[in-house]
Amino acid sequence: DTEVTQTPKHLVMGMTNKKSLKCEQHMGHRAMYWYKQKAKKPPELMFVYSYEKLSINESVPSRFSPECPNSSLLNLHLHALQPEDSALYLCASSLRQEVSTGELFFGEGSRLTVL
Amino acid sequence: GESVGLHLPTLSVQEGDNSIINCAYSNSASDYFIWYKQESGKGPQFIIDIRSNMDKRQGQRVTVLLNKTVKHLSLQIAATQPGDSAVYFCAETPGGNTPLVFGKGTRLSVIA
Repeated sequence: DTEVTQTPKHLVMGMTNKKSLKCEQHMGHRAMYWYKQKAKKPPELMFVYSYEKLSINESVPSRFSPECPNSSLLNLHLHALQPEDSALYLCASSLRQEVSTGELFFGEGSRLTVL
Repeated sequence: GESVGLHLPTLSVQEGDNSIINCAYSNSASDYFIWYKQESGKGPQFIIDIRSNMDKRQGQRVTVLLNKTVKHLSLQIAATQPGDSAVYFCAETPGGNTPLVFGKGTRLSVIA
């Protein structure tokens, strides 16, 4: 199993809603990532978890709240988002946070629209 | 041809020709590089990687060249096929736990 699975694939939410994005991998990877990608732009790192602990937070606004319940799951909780937060949210995983030890596998992304 | 402007740089090639996609990376300390392919509506897909102790690495129909002197990376695709149409990103890291940083991306359009 070499997949990173993200749900939902599409999400539309209002600015007062609370929603969550979910990511799952069963490759035994111990590093998991959230990236944000706007149209025609490269992915931008948001958070890195290493061995279920938050390792990197790239100064992401607190309306985005990550959670890593176990080594296979990564969530991104969304609350009070703005229309400019509309983007493709990509989850990725790697064997360890030291990326050069192996590939960084991406999921298909969750396309978020904030109205 | 190649166009650069407000939009994503685009490279148009005829089916069967070879493609060369270029990337100027920013960090002279970077020692590990990856090329990703991203098709419309999908997540980035690993193509090939290279470490800084090498200047060339070959895969199936793809070759990556690294010139550390001028901080330049290129991806060569042989006998380009319509299925190669996608956006290609280079990514770099100086190693350790420092995450990958992605370059701007180039859209490859294959003309049948």
